[in-house]
Amino acid sequence: DAGVIQSPRHEVTEMGQEVTLRCKPISGHNSLFWYRQTMMRGLELLIYFNNNVPIDDSGMPEDRFSAKMPNASFSTLKIQPSEPRDSAVYFCASSPGLATDTQYFGPGTRLTVL
Amino acid sequence: QKEVEQNSGPLSVPEGAIASLNCTYSDRVSQSFFWYRQYSGKSPELIMSIYSNGDKEDGRFTAQLNKASQYVSLLIRDSQPSDSATYLCAVKINGWTQGGSEKLVFGKGTKLTVNP
Repeated sequence: DAGVIQSPRHEVTEMGQEVTLRCKPISGHNSLFWYRQTMMRGLELLIYFNNNVPIDDSGMPEDRFSAKMPNASFSTLKIQPSEPRDSAVYFCASSPGLATDTQYFGPGTRLTVL
Repeated sequence: QKEVEQNSGPLSVPEGAIASLNCTYSDRVSQSFFWYRQYSGKSPELIMSIYSNGDKEDGRFTAQLNKASQYVSLLIRDSQPSDSATYLCAVKINGWTQGGSEKLVFGKGTKLTVNP
């Protein structure tokens, strides 16, 4: 079975541009998570969906960040406008049930904002 | 105090030795604890979960939990160079009082190097 799929794997953009990260969770998984990882802050949960509904977005840093899950097989994380401090690795993960079931991580998107 | 704390390391051990990784957490009511391994440039993967006080063994890995001390550890016996990675401790917390939900909170990780 395919694991969690993320695209693009690498993204380099200039400050002020819009960035869209994409994720396809494992088929049949009910929960999807977006994380951000930096050396300074470690792995942080940004937002968590269950059955396509946002459950917890308390980790979304500010209004420049938004996430959607229009169906069970696709989610996007958008940053508009992007800033250099958004540079990080963004992981998408999915789990069969709730947030505390085993989470399966995608390969990540390395974002660099110049 | 941060919710989940780990020594960042690096922790360096010789091949065949026991590696000991430690984690403390602040939420006294936490009931679920996890260890994830992350190789350089890769994504985290779950290697152990523990829910009760005491030890849980899985092959060369042993997770230890002491809820009274709010402490969880991971022991790796007969360490191999292939164990070289960053180990992330994750704790289930109740975030409802902060406008969130039940979720995993990760420590920053301890980098382990096993020298041949």
